[in-house]
Amino acid sequence: QKEVEQDPGPLSVPEGAIVSLNCTYSNSAFQYFMWYRQYSRKGPELLMYTYSSGNKEDGRFTAQVDKSSKYISLFIRDSQPSDSATYLCAMSLAGNNRKLIWGLGTSLAVNP
Amino acid sequence: NAGVTQTPKFQVLKTGQSMTLQCAQDMNHNSMYWYRQDPGMGLRLIYYSASEGTTDKGEVPNGYNVSRLNKREFSLRLESAAPSQTSVYFCASSEGGHTYEQYFGPGTRLTVT
Repeated sequence: QKEVEQDPGPLSVPEGAIVSLNCTYSNSAFQYFMWYRQYSRKGPELLMYTYSSGNKEDGRFTAQVDKSSKYISLFIRDSQPSDSATYLCAMSLAGNNRKLIWGLGTSLAVNP
Repeated sequence: NAGVTQTPKFQVLKTGQSMTLQCAQDMNHNSMYWYRQDPGMGLRLIYYSASEGTTDKGEVPNGYNVSRLNKREFSLRLESAAPSQTSVYFCASSEGGHTYEQYFGPGTRLTVT
């Protein structure tokens, strides 16, 4: 079993839909939770991060962490065609750890 | 401010050939990383350098060597390329303490025939 599980999709939604992307993990010691966005033929870029549990909102994007269930989510409201990309979750331990543990990524297509 | 740059963008090698992938960052970051990305396998860490003068193995180091030439530059060398090394290679950097925020380059698409 991988430490981080993420459904690769693909996920296809109409413009304006609410999108829910999810990852589960097995290591309860993870403290930092990140979502990266990767456009086709580009490098990943950090979208949002959360430390420990709770929610974080940035414009149309909301990240949630439920440590009791070992489950993280990214919600995209009023989705746009420009949101079409692969979304990767990543996690790391607390402290001065250099390594991120990555999900496989979920491919999202938002159709106009 | 170019961020993280990688050269070359594309490369085709024959089995057994060698090559070096170059990476440079202009953000004064301490830590640098080399990943490979394959369908169904996701991003996998090959090597990383926590600071200038140090390098450590990641998840899939076999067949690769690295050099942290200075604070800006981190190169990845394939001594004897194999078809299994066909992949997209990404270099990334981070400040060091804030591990979560890694900045990625545009990638190198390598095909080994």
